[in-house]
Amino acid sequence: QKEVEQDPGPLSVPEGAIVSLNCTYSNSAFQYFMWYRQYSRKGPELLMYTYSSGNKEDGRFTAQVDKSSKYISLFIRDSQPSDSATYLCAMHGSSNTGKLIFGQGTTLQVKP
Amino acid sequence: DTAVSQTPKYLVTQMGNDKSIKCEQNLGHDTMYWYKQDSKKFLKIMFSYNNKELIINETVPNRFSPKSPDKAHLNLHINSLELGDSAVYFCASSTASGGETQYFGPGTRLLVL
Repeated sequence: QKEVEQDPGPLSVPEGAIVSLNCTYSNSAFQYFMWYRQYSRKGPELLMYTYSSGNKEDGRFTAQVDKSSKYISLFIRDSQPSDSATYLCAMHGSSNTGKLIFGQGTTLQVKP
Repeated sequence: DTAVSQTPKYLVTQMGNDKSIKCEQNLGHDTMYWYKQDSKKFLKIMFSYNNKELIINETVPNRFSPKSPDKAHLNLHINSLELGDSAVYFCASSTASGGETQYFGPGTRLLVL
């Protein structure tokens, strides 16, 4: 069993839909949670970063962390065709080595 | 202006060959990383250097050898290439205390025939 599980999709939604992307994890030591976005044939780029439990909002994006359930989510409101990409969750524990454990990534397509 | 750059972008080679991938960052970061992304887009860390010192060395075959001549550069040399080495290799960098915010390069697509 992988430390971080993420449904690879693909997920296809119409423009304007609310998108929910999720990851589950098994290591209770994880405290830092990130969402990276990766466009086709590009490197991942950091989208959202959350420490410990709670919500964080940035424009159309909301990241949620539920440590009790070992479950994190990324919500995209009013999705746009430009949101079409692969979304990778990532996390690590308290050690500051930068060793991120990534989920497999969910491929999202937003259709106009 | 590219923050993290990698060369080459594409690499096609025969089994058994030795090849190198170069990475440079102009962000002034102290920490650099190598990741491997397989065909299912699973991204896994291989190595990490902090100020030229190796700090992460995952279970990677010893055919893979990273080298950091200075903190702005991290190269990856691969000996005796195998079919299973075909993947996209990403270099990334971050500040020493900001491992959550990693800046990735564009990737090097390696195909071993």
